[in-house]
Amino acid sequence: AQTVTQSQPEMSVQEAETVTLSCTYDTSENNYYLFWYKQPPSRQMILVIRQEAYKQQNATENRFSVNFQKAAKSFSLKISDSQLGDTAMYFCAFVVFEDDKIIFGKGTRLHILP
Amino acid sequence: GAVVSQHPSRVICKSGTSVKIECRSLDFQATTMFWYRQFPKQSLMLMATSNEGSKATYEQGVEKDKFLINHASLTLSTLTVTSAHPEDSSFYICSARGARGTYSGANVLTFGAGSRLTVL
Repeated sequence: AQTVTQSQPEMSVQEAETVTLSCTYDTSENNYYLFWYKQPPSRQMILVIRQEAYKQQNATENRFSVNFQKAAKSFSLKISDSQLGDTAMYFCAFVVFEDDKIIFGKGTRLHILP
Repeated sequence: GAVVSQHPSRVICKSGTSVKIECRSLDFQATTMFWYRQFPKQSLMLMATSNEGSKATYEQGVEKDKFLINHASLTLSTLTVTSAHPEDSSFYICSARGARGTYSGANVLTFGAGSRLTVL
């Protein structure tokens, strides 16, 4: 069975600092997608970044980047120059190609402190 | 970008009544829609997957007679909580995807803003 593990239930960092959120997953599949979703206090789920497993290059979206280590089944999210608006719950998620079911981790609550 | 509208955002009902939540894809055709339930400070729990024109596939432990899902068109799926009880109070979120089998390019999973159900 596929699983997604986020080992950090909660984190706090000062504004403008860099923070890394951890995510590991377990699967026997070779082709899949990985995602980081953000859920701010409004509770709207927002896609932060997406990575295709067949791509070796790490995905980057402005201040957000990932460190994708396929062999280690690790998919961490780095937020650079953190901003107050980054305060949210962050979910790591995984889906196998051609599958319908996205599997979410339990989330990491991130607080950006002024 | 893709937009999913979920309505109502908040609903309060009496125990024993039924409540319908709508999920609409506004600018794309959603072949697949997903319904989740989220308890406070917890992750999203997938309740069911619905494909347009076919019966929903429910996750283990989810009562299909309690949570009726209809996906009658490519832009609308509804979740009806029947004979609601206080334990059904929760935050319900829908999501929608265009083409099956891929999350590449513009085909991403888009979420509605969620519906908070309170059963008195």
